[in-house]
Amino acid sequence: KAGVTQTPRYLIKTRGQQVTLSCSPISGHRSVSWYQQTPGQGLQFLFEYFSETQRNKGNFPGRFSGRQFSNSRSEMNVSTLELGDSALYLCASSLGGLAESTDTQYFGPGTRLTVL
Amino acid sequence: AQSVAQPEDQVNVAEGNPLTVKCTYSVSGNPYLFWYVQYPNRGLQFLLKYITGDNLVKGSYGFEAEFNKSQTSFHLKKPSALVSDSALYFCAVRDHEARILTGGGNKLTFGTGTQLKVEL
Repeated sequence: KAGVTQTPRYLIKTRGQQVTLSCSPISGHRSVSWYQQTPGQGLQFLFEYFSETQRNKGNFPGRFSGRQFSNSRSEMNVSTLELGDSALYLCASSLGGLAESTDTQYFGPGTRLTVL
Repeated sequence: AQSVAQPEDQVNVAEGNPLTVKCTYSVSGNPYLFWYVQYPNRGLQFLLKYITGDNLVKGSYGFEAEFNKSQTSFHLKKPSALVSDSALYFCAVRDHEARILTGGGNKLTFGTGTQLKVEL
């Protein structure tokens, strides 16, 4: 079974631009979560989508947004990029149903975003 | 709020020796605990998890973890370390409160990570 895929793997943008990252979950997984990883703040939760609805949200400004499509693929968007948005953005997928209390999240390779 | 602490930024061990990477947690309800490993320029790989049951959990690549409720710890262990085990290890806890409030939810709260270095 194919793992979680993320595109693109690397991105370079300049301040003020916007960016869209894509994530394709493992087949059959309906939950997609996004995390930001930086040397200073570590791994921080951005948001989670399940059945096209945002189910959980971290403490990030409104410039960070996401969505999920009917095939469970997800995108996240960052508008008006700032230097501090440079990070590795990780996507994780899981089965996601309410009964899945033992759910495990499986991570993609990440998208490395550099903001100049 | 849920939290995990990894008190060691780095652990050094000789190949063939046992290794331990420490993790302590703080949760309001039942802890759902996870260990992940990250190699350079890669995403996180799942190693093992504790949900309920036996306190000793076995996972991938010969790793195991011991859940200790009284000490609120979930230390990762391996009897014999390999050079290829050198990587960054993260402990994580499932946010049980968010799960209840939102009727689900998979938010993980991660520790700061421990760099494991296994030397010949």
